[in-house]
Amino acid sequence: DTEVTQTPKHLVMGMTNKKSLKCEQHMGHRAMYWYKQKAKKPPELMFVYSYEKLSINESVPSRFSPECPNSSLLNLHLHALQPEDSALYLCASSHPQGANTGELFFGEGSRLTVL
Amino acid sequence: GQNIDQPTEMTATEGAIVQINCTYQTSGFNGLFWYQQHAGEAPTFLSYNVLDGLEEKGRFSSFLSRSKGYSYLLLKELQMKDSASYLCSARQLTFGSGTQLTVLP
Repeated sequence: DTEVTQTPKHLVMGMTNKKSLKCEQHMGHRAMYWYKQKAKKPPELMFVYSYEKLSINESVPSRFSPECPNSSLLNLHLHALQPEDSALYLCASSHPQGANTGELFFGEGSRLTVL
Repeated sequence: GQNIDQPTEMTATEGAIVQINCTYQTSGFNGLFWYQQHAGEAPTFLSYNVLDGLEEKGRFSSFLSRSKGYSYLLLKELQMKDSASYLCSARQLTFGSGTQLTVLP
């Protein structure tokens, strides 16, 4: 199994809603990532979890709250988002730095629209 | 920090060879990654160089010169399906702006 599965694929929410994006992998990877991608731009790193601990937060606003319940799951909780937060949210996983090549395996993404 | 430069756009003809260059300055180098991203899809890993030289993988090859902070991705026998964005990363976690390659018939 070399897949990273993200749900939902599409999400439309209002600025007062609370929603969550979910990500799952069963490759035994112990590093998991959230990226945000706007149209015609590269993915921008948001958060990194390594061995279920948050290791990097790229100064992301607190309306985005990550959670790593176990080594296979990664969530991104969304609350009070702004229209400019509309984007494709990509989850990725890899072996932690220093092991193997560290290549990133991406999910198909969750396309978020904030009204 | 990291500074990566790639051309924004390139165009080539089906069957031709194209070279996409990437120059980088980074405070923590652990190898040079290339990813391919088709429109509306997730990025997929293409290649990884940690030592100087050329790595060949089928129609795709990647080259690295650590002393020059330079890499290139070489695509041979171009096919229409190679039209995509190609992302260079000098640290695993962040990407250059990407090169949008259009292959024309």
